[in-house]
Amino acid sequence: GQQVMQIPQYQHVQEGEDFTTYCNSSTTLSNIQWYKQRPGGHPVFLIQLVKSGEVKKQKRLTFQFGEAKKNSSLHITATQTTDVGTYFCAAMDTGRRALTFGSGTRLQVQP
Amino acid sequence: GAGVSQSPRYKVAKRGQDVALRCDPISGHVSLFWYQQALGQGPEFLTYFQNEAQLDKSGLPSDRFFAERPEGSVSTLKIQRTQQEDSAVYLCASSLARQAPRYEQFFGPGTRLTVL
Repeated sequence: GQQVMQIPQYQHVQEGEDFTTYCNSSTTLSNIQWYKQRPGGHPVFLIQLVKSGEVKKQKRLTFQFGEAKKNSSLHITATQTTDVGTYFCAAMDTGRRALTFGSGTRLQVQP
Repeated sequence: GAGVSQSPRYKVAKRGQDVALRCDPISGHVSLFWYQQALGQGPEFLTYFQNEAQLDKSGLPSDRFFAERPEGSVSTLKIQRTQQEDSAVYLCASSLARQAPRYEQFFGPGTRLTVL
């Protein structure tokens, strides 16, 4: 079945530093979604990317979808302690509604 | 409005017992998904319903796992003869749209199942 690789597994930054997580698939994706899960919480939807080369911004968060629709990234500028959590990419295959989640990147922010 | 709710929030079962986990999706949401999340891992897809029809059950790990959504709203995930490897958080998610472009899923708080 489809696999989605996500790196890094873990990142510890000082507050104010930038953070990036990367997601790669071996197959072309219909769309890719990003979710955030706080410790002890459940995944919360952040964004969906559909078009090749798409870039979307939400305040300090920038999301990109690769030209070949096989990779994606999430970049956080000037991290804050409220950014702590695990960030998951989730890929949707063409013709299926099921999401295949990456293994997540756990972000720790030191104040 | 109310989000997705799940019950119970925690369940401890002895190996071999049957368990039933309930999901109440957001009202009006057509699609409903079940995921299994092991500690430190991403959610893994189990099954998907559109209204009452189970359209994809490719992620169910064995025939001990069974899900239903008889009236197209509330869903139940049943695990028969639980094993220790079934210990995980079971997440339910619902989604409004039938088709592109909006496929975002709204997750419930999950049921943490521990099998002793």
